[in-house]
Order: sequence, then C-alpha cells, then structure tokens
Amino acid sequence: DGGITQSPKYLFRKEGQNVTLSCEQNLNHDAMYWYRQDPGQGLRLIYYSQIVNDFQKGDIAEGYSVSREKKESFPLTVTSAQKNPTAFYLCASSRTGRDSYGYTFGSGTRLTVV
Amino acid sequence: QKEVEQNSGPLSVPEGAIASLNCTYSDRGSQSFFWYRQYSGKSPELIMFIYSNGDKEDGRFTAQLNKASQYVSLLIRDSQPSDSATYLCAVNSQADSSASKIIFGSGTRLSIRP
Repeated sequence: DGGITQSPKYLFRKEGQNVTLSCEQNLNHDAMYWYRQDPGQGLRLIYYSQIVNDFQKGDIAEGYSVSREKKESFPLTVTSAQKNPTAFYLCASSRTGRDSYGYTFGSGTRLTVV
Repeated sequence: QKEVEQNSGPLSVPEGAIASLNCTYSDRGSQSFFWYRQYSGKSPELIMFIYSNGDKEDGRFTAQLNKASQYVSLLIRDSQPSDSATYLCAVNSQADSSASKIIFGSGTRLSIRP
C-alpha cells in the first residue's frame, strides 16, 4: 500500500545536539512538506519541496534544515540553533498544481528535549 | 498574511445530533478547501475536499462552500462518539499555478456527548 513513513515515532534530543527526522513516501508525489504542531495549536510550515534538489522555507524555518536528493525522501534536521524544538513533527506529501487533492500525512514524530 | 480562522471550541454536541463546524479564510484567490480530522496524538486525516460553491456530501459529512463570503463549513449528521476529534480547515494558497501550499486553521475541538 502507498503511504508516508515517518521515523522514529519518538525522539529525545539532548541540549546542543542535532537530530534528523526521516520521511519517506511511495505515493509518487512531487511535493513534500514538514510541519510542526505544538499542543493545542495548529500546523506551522517549516519547509516544503516541490521538486527534487529544490526546497523553500516556510513560516518557521529558523533552526531547521532539509534536503531533497530523492523524490521519495525529505529528511528534516533539527539543529542546535532551534531553541524550543519539543513538538509533534508531521511530514506530508501531495501532487502539485490544480489537480492537487490535499495532503497525505505521515504518522508523525514526537520530539522531546531532555 | 493569508489566514484561515476557526473557533477553537470545544464544541459539545449530543450523540445523534448535527455538528456544524465553521471556517473563514482571507485569500479571495483560494481555489481548494479541505477538512481534516485529527484524533488526539495522531496525524491529520483528510475527510472532505471541495472546490465549487455549494454543498458536497459524503456519507454523514457535508462540506459547504461560499466563496463570496469566504466561508466554508462542515456538517456531521448523526454524530457519533467516534467523531470526537479536532477538525482542521485548510485552504490552498494558489500563489502561483505550480504551488500546492495549503494553509491550516488552528482547528475546532469537537466533543460528542453520549
């Protein structure tokens, strides 16, 4: 079955440490996205990519980095520059253009700073 | 700044009644509108999308769109306890013809009481 796989499900980060969240999709979608969700809050866009080897900053890109070397993969690195990284991170993918039918989300990664 | 506004709730509805969830958006150029359901601790799941003015029905769910008033709603008939979740309204920001960047509201928490 096609879908998006995020790993790990839970991640613990020490102060000053970089961590990478994995996101893989087999839906043949061109576009991929990373969102952050804080308790009781909506989704805030971190980065998005509409094509391989290209990506754009979202609303809260500071302290994060991404790469898009393959169509299927869009990993997110939370760097030590992100001062408040504890949150629920969601990866999504979609087709592009006017025939987009919304996003398909992965199951999420819950990141906690210890 | 394009915005999508929702009442955060909680909205409490008796089992078997109709739940009505509302959303307004600021970008008059928006073309695609989505409703996602998110259970606590889980990722959002697409339940309805609508492109044209009027109503769209799918089972117990009806999405209503009024572009002139910049208003979209979701009706849930015969509400069940399993409908208790947060409902996210999302709007496709068509900044350019190749983009598929969706803006999410902060969600309305719905509680169905037995």
